[in-house]
Amino acid sequence: AQTVTQSQPEMSVQEAETVTLSCTYDTSESNYYLFWYKQPPSRQMILVIRQEAYKQQNATENRFSVNFQKAAKSFSLKISDSQLGDTAMYFCAFMKHGGAQKLVFGQGTRLTINP
Amino acid sequence: DAGVIQSPRHEVTEMGQEVTLRCKPISGHNSLFWYRQTMMRGLELLIYFNNNVPIDDSGMPEDRFSAKMPNASFSTLKIQPSEPRDSAVYFCASSLDSRPNSYNEQFFGPGTRLTVL
Repeated sequence: AQTVTQSQPEMSVQEAETVTLSCTYDTSESNYYLFWYKQPPSRQMILVIRQEAYKQQNATENRFSVNFQKAAKSFSLKISDSQLGDTAMYFCAFMKHGGAQKLVFGQGTRLTINP
Repeated sequence: DAGVIQSPRHEVTEMGQEVTLRCKPISGHNSLFWYRQTMMRGLELLIYFNNNVPIDDSGMPEDRFSAKMPNASFSTLKIQPSEPRDSAVYFCASSLDSRPNSYNEQFFGPGTRLTVL
């Protein structure tokens, strides 16, 4: 079974700073997907970024980028030029490639961006 | 598109009562997922359907929980009888397809916050 661990329950930074959220996972699969989801106070789950395990290049979406270290089973999210609207819970998630598309989530990191 | 629609947004009930949560997936999506979010267990998949057929219900906690998808545009999650430990936020998500070797983004609804007193 796959597990996803987020070791930072809470983080807080000033607006415009860069922040990195950590995520590690455990799997015996060789091909899979990794995700970061954002959950603002509205509760809506929003996909931030996706990484395919077979791709060596780290995914980037505007101010959001990941550092994917497959051998270390590490998948961190970097938010550059943080904005007040980035305040939210962030969940790291895993999905096995092929077969059932079941998302396995970490426990989440509560990120607060201070003005 | 209206996105995934869930109702009600909030539900407060008393222990022992039957609770029914409803979900309308995005039109054209043929996979539907029910998740539960609690402080203790985080986000966990309860059950998912493909083309209205339940594929994996291994996450359903016990027989008090049941889910149905009578057609492509509607699904229900029922708890009977409800217990205080069922209090959680229940999310429905849908995706375009769930075939092996394909990836399709899961779009989440706004969730239903259930409180069982």
